[in-house]
Formats: sequence, structure tokens, C-alpha cells
Amino acid sequence: DSGVTQTPKHLITATGQRVTLRCSPRSGDLSVYWYQQSLDQGLQFLIQYYNGEERAKGNILERFSAQQFPDLHSELNLSSLELGDSALYFCASSVGVENTEAFFGQGTRLTVV
Amino acid sequence: AQKITQTQPGMFVQEKEAVTLDCTYDTSDQSYGLFWYKQPSSGEMIFLIYQGSYDEQNATEGRYSLNFQKARKSANLVISASQLGDSAMYFCAMREGVNNNDMRFGAGTRLTVKP
Repeated sequence: DSGVTQTPKHLITATGQRVTLRCSPRSGDLSVYWYQQSLDQGLQFLIQYYNGEERAKGNILERFSAQQFPDLHSELNLSSLELGDSALYFCASSVGVENTEAFFGQGTRLTVV
Repeated sequence: AQKITQTQPGMFVQEKEAVTLDCTYDTSDQSYGLFWYKQPSSGEMIFLIYQGSYDEQNATEGRYSLNFQKARKSANLVISASQLGDSAMYFCAMREGVNNNDMRFGAGTRLTVKP
């Protein structure tokens, strides 16, 4: 168990809908990262938050947004969902911004039908 | 341009033998970190080993070691005494800069351990 909790584990929704994925980082970790893993794109970095502030942005679509709350949990909001958004979404956390490893949650498998 | 390159889509190894998974990286930063993760069929991402750019010695963690060749910009993972449970996808990743931010991943290598 990495200590990073993601909910829900599975999500099935229809095209055009909006969903929220939730992540609770390891105790003491200030950085949260979101990744999307799909068969054709591999593991893609979406966005990072550090202590409530957006720190880095990767290949995140405009239909997607995220935030990190004062208690350090994070949410990834995906809207106007398309079939191609079906993927495994990972949250990871690390202590800070130095070169340390990130620990991953179990992932949320999103299926858009 | 790709920051992390894993040239082996798939690898096979006999149980109890050693195997090397290749990883090359591209950065102009002096400070960076290199990581390897394992993803079994169950899907979770498991951290294996870390190498800092200023570390002079190769990192080791149990049966895992990282063959760090800075001048060649390579960070190969060596798994000794392979076990059936080592069958999984393996990802190499890098974080750049002193106040580094995102962690970028390679495409992965699928390792299959044969009995």
C-alpha cells in the first residue's frame, strides 16, 4: 500500500458527462500529480499541485481541470467526456519539490461509453 | 522531443537469470532524478529505485540496481535473479531541475519471466 488513496476505483459514464476523480496523498506529502495512462498515449503527465498551488502543467486538455484543497487532497474534473478519454487516471504524491520519488495510488479506471 | 526513451517494447528472461532494461534520457539540467517503476497486470505503479544526478554510486535496492552512465545519459535497470513475479511493465522516469516539477515517463518495457 503506497498510502495514496484514489476514489473511485472504477467509473463508467456516458459521452458528454462530467466526472470528478479524488485523490488523498500520503500523510505529509505536499505535492500531488495527475497522470493519464491510455494504450495509445502511454503514461502522460497532466498537472501538478504543490501545497495548494498549481506547479506544472503537462498535456492536460482544456476540458479537464484540477485543484488541491487546504487539506491537500486533490480532485481532477473531467468534463464533456469523449470516448477517447477512457483511460486509467493515476494520482501520485511526493514530499515536496526536491528530487524524491512519487508514490502512486491504485488509479481510477474511467470508461466512457 | 522524447525526454525518456525505452527502446525495448518487450523482453524475456529465464527465471533466476539477470536482465537489463534500457533507458536513455535527454536533459540540459545538471540536477535531475531518475526513477524506475513497475506496473504489474493489476495496474498499480510501484516505485522501485531512484538515482540522483549527483550520486556518484549506482543505486541499489535489493535485487534492483541502476546502471547510471551520466556521460551517455543512460539509466538502465538491472534485475538480478529474476522471479516469476517480476513479470510486469517497467517504466523509466525523470524529474528535471532543482525545483523540479513533473515526472516524465518512458513508453515502458514489458518483461516476461519464463519458468
